[in-house]
Amino acid sequence: EDQVTQSPEALRLQEGESSSLNCSYTVSGLRGLFWYRQDPGKGPEFLFTLYSAGEEKEKERLKATLTKKESFLHITAPKPEDSATYLCAVQRARSGTYKYIFGTGTRLKVLA
Amino acid sequence: DAGVIQSPRHEVTEMGQEVTLRCKPISGHDYLFWYRQTMMRGLELLIYFNNNVPIDDSGMPEDRFSAKMPNASFSTLKIQPSEPRDSAVYFCASSFDREVQPQHFGDGTRLSIL
Repeated sequence: EDQVTQSPEALRLQEGESSSLNCSYTVSGLRGLFWYRQDPGKGPEFLFTLYSAGEEKEKERLKATLTKKESFLHITAPKPEDSATYLCAVQRARSGTYKYIFGTGTRLKVLA
Repeated sequence: DAGVIQSPRHEVTEMGQEVTLRCKPISGHDYLFWYRQTMMRGLELLIYFNNNVPIDDSGMPEDRFSAKMPNASFSTLKIQPSEPRDSAVYFCASSFDREVQPQHFGDGTRLSIL
């Protein structure tokens, strides 16, 4: 069965303390993996798309990487404004389907 | 550019009442998705449309739920009759009709059924 698992469920960091969030997936063929940020009371906000193993994308303090089994979201020197829930989703390589499978997210809290 | 617009932002109603949630997708997007988010189950896809046609409604929990897309700029999700277990945040998202396109989400409707 296709599955996406994120870890840890929650993470507390001090400002400037770098860390990584994990997204493990088992799908029958990967078309794309997406990272989103969700703030309280808001919808998920798109961050990155990764297409194939070995690919990396960066945006400010965030860097996303992809292997054949998992993706990491590395947060370098985080600030309190990076506090949010981070979601990953996968799109299967199945013709005619545009469905995502979402993980349950990592709640990140960065303390000043 | 305006993003995905959902209304109402909050809805509180009593069990048994009809609830209608509304969504305006991003102009030019061909796909529209309805999701439900709860603490226990996370984000679940309910139904999605391509060019106003429902493609997959396998996530709709039961016959009390229905969705329509009468034109490219408007969709509704209706619950009738509503039950307390339907309480959740409902999101609408849209995307272009090209491979591996990100979905763009609205800010959701927080639904509470008393």
